[in-house]
Amino acid sequence: AQSVAQPEDQVNVAEGNPLTVKCTYSVSGNPYLFWYVQYPNRGLQFLLKYITGDNLVKGSYGFEAEFNKSQTSFHLKKPSALVSDSALYFCAVRANSGYALNFGKGTSLLVTP
Amino acid sequence: DGGITQSPKYLFRKEGQNVTLSCEQNLNHDAMYWYRQDPGQGLRLIYYSQIVNDFQKGDIAEGYSVSREKKESFPLTVTSAQKNPTAFYLCASHGTSSYNEQFFGPGTRLTVL
Repeated sequence: AQSVAQPEDQVNVAEGNPLTVKCTYSVSGNPYLFWYVQYPNRGLQFLLKYITGDNLVKGSYGFEAEFNKSQTSFHLKKPSALVSDSALYFCAVRANSGYALNFGKGTSLLVTP
Repeated sequence: DGGITQSPKYLFRKEGQNVTLSCEQNLNHDAMYWYRQDPGQGLRLIYYSQIVNDFQKGDIAEGYSVSREKKESFPLTVTSAQKNPTAFYLCASHGTSSYNEQFFGPGTRLTVL
């Protein structure tokens, strides 16, 4: 089965510092990987995706992610964190059920001033 | 504006009642999905539909039912058979290409009294 794991429940970072939110995947075949962000009591907003091509994917709001096939990872990164980046982040992989997604459990990012 | 709408935003249900959550999209997407979100568990797939008048069970379909009579609409009924229905419910849709990301609605928070 296609799955992702987010090993950290929470990540804390000071404003202006770089941030990384980790994701590893387990798939059969080529992985289609996604990152979403969720603010409290809201739906999920798409940040970026990896389908094929360059291993460094650039997305919305200054976020990027690095696809690493040998380490089966797809970590989310941002060079300089903002307090407004504080939210819940989900990594996801396309499932075998149609185009549905299998999600990780989420990582809560807290950026402090 | 194009997008996905869900209603109501908050819903309270008594034990033994069926309730229906609405999901409408004007993105002309063929595929639609229902996910359930519980704290610390990520999102889990309830049902999905890739075409009008057809739908498939996801990972946690027991106690739920859906219909897809129109392309724009994919309502979810939470039946009395669902033992623990209190959760945040998210509807999503997806365009034709397998490379497309899913778009999410704002969610409905269901509480059983």
